[in-house]
Amino acid sequence: EPEVTQTPSHQVTQMGQEVILRCVPISNHLYFYWYRQILGQKVEFLVSFYNNEISEKSEIFDDQFSVERPDGSNFTLKIRSTKLEDSAMYFCATEATTNEKLFFGSGTQLSVL
Amino acid sequence: GEDVEQSLFLSVREGDSSVINCTYTDSSSTYLYWYKQEPGAGLQLLTYIFSNMDMKQDQRLTVLLNKKDKHLSLRIADTQTGDSAIYFCAERKEYGNKLVFGAGTILRVKS
Repeated sequence: EPEVTQTPSHQVTQMGQEVILRCVPISNHLYFYWYRQILGQKVEFLVSFYNNEISEKSEIFDDQFSVERPDGSNFTLKIRSTKLEDSAMYFCATEATTNEKLFFGSGTQLSVL
Repeated sequence: GEDVEQSLFLSVREGDSSVINCTYTDSSSTYLYWYKQEPGAGLQLLTYIFSNMDMKQDQRLTVLLNKKDKHLSLRIADTQTGDSAIYFCAERKEYGNKLVFGAGTILRVKS
């Protein structure tokens, strides 16, 4: 079965540094999402992206966060200046159309020291 | 509201049926999902049900939806040790398409 691929699987960074998390969607998927899960907490929605635009974003997704699809394949999440509280598992999710099967990647564990 | 609630823990014996329950608050949710997360792994889509349906069966999995009570359940027949994982219930919002997740139910299967 096709998979959503995320890299790296683990990322350790110093507070204040920039990180870029990468996702390769399933081919022919057009809708892309980022979610995160802080240890011991619920999986939370961050942002949805379609047609090279943000469709919706949560309160968590402030000016420090950005998303783009630079080369038409990879879908990236950038955190400009990481904070301790950004430490979490970040999941990319993609789907062919909305209200269909939403497939998640295996996640990137981000640790901010 | 955006509340999806699940019981935290369920323990069953191998071969028994497991029933994981979930309640949600948004009556306009379009789809409801069950995801499985094994240790160190991502979220695996198990099954999903359209909000106008009452039941969906897929091999060992049966999903029951009571829209009036906003109650969703996942039944796993003949539970195996490989079913031990965290199970997440999620509702799909009508506007915006985002998923709202419950906190997850830890299923432990004893052999």
